[in-house]
Amino acid sequence: AQSVTQLDSQVPVFEEAPVELRCNYSSSVSVYLFWYVQYPNQGLQLLLKYLSGSTLVESINGFEAEFNKSQTSFHLRKPSVHISDTAEYFCAVSDQGNTPLVFGKGTRLSVIA
Amino acid sequence: DAGVIQSPRHEVTEMGQEVTLRCKPISGHNSLFWYRQTMMRGLELLIYFNNNVPIDDSGMPEDRFSAKMPNASFSTLKIQPSEPRDSAVYFCASSLPKTSGRYGATDTQYFGPGTRLTVL
Repeated sequence: AQSVTQLDSQVPVFEEAPVELRCNYSSSVSVYLFWYVQYPNQGLQLLLKYLSGSTLVESINGFEAEFNKSQTSFHLRKPSVHISDTAEYFCAVSDQGNTPLVFGKGTRLSVIA
Repeated sequence: DAGVIQSPRHEVTEMGQEVTLRCKPISGHNSLFWYRQTMMRGLELLIYFNNNVPIDDSGMPEDRFSAKMPNASFSTLKIQPSEPRDSAVYFCASSLPKTSGRYGATDTQYFGPGTRLTVL
């Protein structure tokens, strides 16, 4: 069965500093990978996804994630965070659509002014 | 578009009572998902509908839980009788007609704001 491990439950970081949120998955087959963001008292929103092609995917608000098949990882990065990036971030995996999305436990990013 | 609409946003009830959660997906979306979020277990898929038909209900905890989708614009999740361990945030999500695989995972899922259920 697939699983997702988000190694850090909480990540505090100062404003304008870089951040990396780690995600590792377990699967024996090719996968689709996703990052969702949840702002306080809201539902999840898709941030970015990897389906195929370039292993580096970007979002419109400056986040990027790199698919590393050998390390079974899909870490999320941003070179300079803003206060508005404070939220919970979820990594998710699917067996190319043949299984439902399996979510990690989430990483709470707190940006400090 | 108004997005996925869920009601109520908050529900407090006593053990043994029936609880009904409601969801209106985005118009034109034909896949609908119910999730439960808790601190201990994270986000879990309860049931998945495609074209109003339940495709996967393996995540439904037990017979106390039931879900229906009578038409493309409405779904309910019912718990009867409710128990304190059912306390959680319940999310509904919808997506466009699936383009890949059984679960259409390439299609973005749009989540509602959730219903926070507290069972005393």
